[in-house]
Amino acid sequence: GQSLEQPSEVTAVEGAIVQINCTYQTSGFYGLSWYQQHDGGAPTFLSYNALDGLEETGRFSSFLSRSDSYGYLLLQELQMKDSASYFCAVNQAGTALIFGKGTTLSVSS
Amino acid sequence: NAGVTQTPKFRVLKTGQSMTLLCAQDMNHEYMYWYRQDPGMGLRLIHYSVGEGTTAKGEVPDGYNVSRLKKQNFLLGLESAAPSQTSVYFCATTTSGIGEQYFGPGTRLTVT
Repeated sequence: GQSLEQPSEVTAVEGAIVQINCTYQTSGFYGLSWYQQHDGGAPTFLSYNALDGLEETGRFSSFLSRSDSYGYLLLQELQMKDSASYFCAVNQAGTALIFGKGTTLSVSS
Repeated sequence: NAGVTQTPKFRVLKTGQSMTLLCAQDMNHEYMYWYRQDPGMGLRLIHYSVGEGTTAKGEVPDGYNVSRLKKQNFLLGLESAAPSQTSVYFCATTTSGIGEQYFGPGTRLTVT
C-alpha cells in the first residue's frame, strides 16, 4: 500500500523559517507535490518535485530525495497569512495524487 | 472563465436519500478527481477520470458512483446516503496526471 507521514502541527513566529517534512511509501512514484489550504478554502498548489533536489519559488522551497523517500517544504520569512494546513501528496503512476493527513502551521506575531 | 465549479455548495440529506454532486470545468482538462476531506484525515481520493467516458476507483470508492459523459463534467453520486458520508467533497482537474491540480470550492454535505 501507500502511506505518507508528516507532522500534524507546527508553530512559528513571524519572520522565522519552518520546515515541514514528509516521508512516503508508495509504488509507482512519479513525484511529490505540496498544497496549501486555508480554513474553509480549497487546496492550492505550491510545488512539485519529480527529481532529487531543491525547487525554489519565492519564499517557499521544496526538496525531494527519491532514494530516502523523503521530502520537505521550507517556508521562509513567515507571515501571518502563511497560517494554514500544508499537505504533501505523492503522484502515483502518473495518474492520481495520494495526500498526507496535513500539517497545521500556526504563525504568531 | 470560471475554472472549476461545484454544485451544490451545501446540502443536508437524510440517511437513505440519494443525491448527485456536479463538478464542471471550463479549462479543457482531461483528468478529473473527486476527493473527500474529513477532520484529521487529509484528502482521500474517491474516484477519478482520465478522460471523457472513463472512470476509475480511488482509495475510498465504496458507496459512491461516478460518470463522465462529457469532458467538462464529472458527477459524483450517492445512491443511499449514510452518516459516514458526512464530509466536504472537493473536485479537482488537471491537464495530465502529473501536473498541478486545480480544485473547486467544495461541497459541504451533512447526512443525518
